[in-house]
Amino acid sequence: QVQLKESGPGLVQPSQTLSLTCTVSGFSLTSNSVSWVRQPPGKGLEWMGAIWSGGSTDYNSALKSRLSISRDTSKSQVFLKMNSLQTEDTAIYFCTRSRAAISLDYWGQGVMVTVSS
Amino acid sequence: DIQMTQSPPSLSASLGDKVTITCQASQNINKYIAWYQQKPGKAPRQLIRYTSTLVSGTPSRFSGSGSGRDYSFSISNVESEDIASYYCLQYDNLWTFGGGTKLELK
Repeated sequence: QVQLKESGPGLVQPSQTLSLTCTVSGFSLTSNSVSWVRQPPGKGLEWMGAIWSGGSTDYNSALKSRLSISRDTSKSQVFLKMNSLQTEDTAIYFCTRSRAAISLDYWGQGVMVTVSS
Repeated sequence: DIQMTQSPPSLSASLGDKVTITCQASQNINKYIAWYQQKPGKAPRQLIRYTSTLVSGTPSRFSGSGSGRDYSFSISNVESEDIASYYCLQYDNLWTFGGGTKLELK
């Protein structure tokens, strides 16, 4: 069955870089795209960016200068790196499968990241 | 970037009520809108895609409609398990979420 699981540090210091991994199973990264979505505590959902089945990427214009998404298809993993973190980047970070005409169907459980010194 | 304006931000309903949430896109999104339910501490769950197609497992009391820039999502006969936050998502051009609607019991 389709599964996604996020992993990464729970605490990051301000100005540092966040690195998260999404490990997927039950589908191929070469025929599906994966998006990252975040949600600050008590607030709404924000689409951050996606890596397409062919390996190209798209980003939310508000985050584009700080964000990078990549993947290792042999390990079924997608990576998020975001630099210059600030306290407002404190959020739950989700990875989700993205499919044309179906949109974001399967989601990981999310990982809470706190930006604090 | 496409913007999604969702209203109302919060909604209070009694069990058995019908409630409606709307989303307006900043441009035509060609019916590429999905609706999600999120309960505290959980990942969002897709309920409807392509305006009105119910995802497998979605109860028939949920429905969606709309076209162009204007879309709506309704729950008829609200049940206690429907108490949650709801989000629209456009996927015509990349992805953009609406601001969310928190449904509470009156």
